Amino acid sequence: AQSVTQPDIHITVSEGASLELRCNYSYGATPYLFWYVQSPGQGLQLLLKYFSGDTLVQGIKGFEAEFKRSQSSFNLRKPSVHWSDAAEYFCAVGSDNNAGNMLTFGGGTRLMVKP
Amino acid sequence: SAVISQKPSRDICQRGTSLTIQCQVDSQVTMMFWYRQQPGQSLTLIATANQGSEATYESGFVIDKFPISRPNLTFSTLTVSNMSPEDSSIYLCSVKLQATENTEAFFGQGTRLTVV
Repeated sequence: AQSVTQPDIHITVSEGASLELRCNYSYGATPYLFWYVQSPGQGLQLLLKYFSGDTLVQGIKGFEAEFKRSQSSFNLRKPSVHWSDAAEYFCAVGSDNNAGNMLTFGGGTRLMVKP
Repeated sequence: SAVISQKPSRDICQRGTSLTIQCQVDSQVTMMFWYRQQPGQSLTLIATANQGSEATYESGFVIDKFPISRPNLTFSTLTVSNMSPEDSSIYLCSVKLQATENTEAFFGQGTRLTVV
């Protein structure tokens, strides 16, 4: 069965510092990978996705992620964090259940930004 | 893309009662999903609700507790029945515009349920 692991439950960075959020997945076939962000009291917004091709994908809000098959990883990065980036971040893999295509989510990483 | 509206956005309910959550999409979609996000936790799929077929429930979720309706391609409801405090969660509706893995899912804002 597919699974997604986000090893860091909480991360605190200073504003302007770089950021890397880790994501490891387990999936038997070619993975379809996603990063979503959830701001307090909000739903989920897609940051970026990887389906195939270039392993470095660019997303919204200055985020990027790199797919590394050898490491089963899809880490999210941002060169300079803004205070508004404080939120919960979820990595997910697209997979099949009996009725269709669903997402399996990691446990999430809560990002806090220090002034 | 798809715009998803969920109602209510939040509610406080008495134990033993039931709450029906509505999910309205601004376009016709085949695949709709209901997720639960318990406090401080990640999202867990409750069921897949495809139009024209019975909802398919994931392990640990049953129809008697979480009945789902999908009357057309733009609307679905999830009912949380006979609620207990353990049902306090955020419930999210999600849709996919295409029935393939390599497409993104869109999410509603969620319904924050507190059972007292």
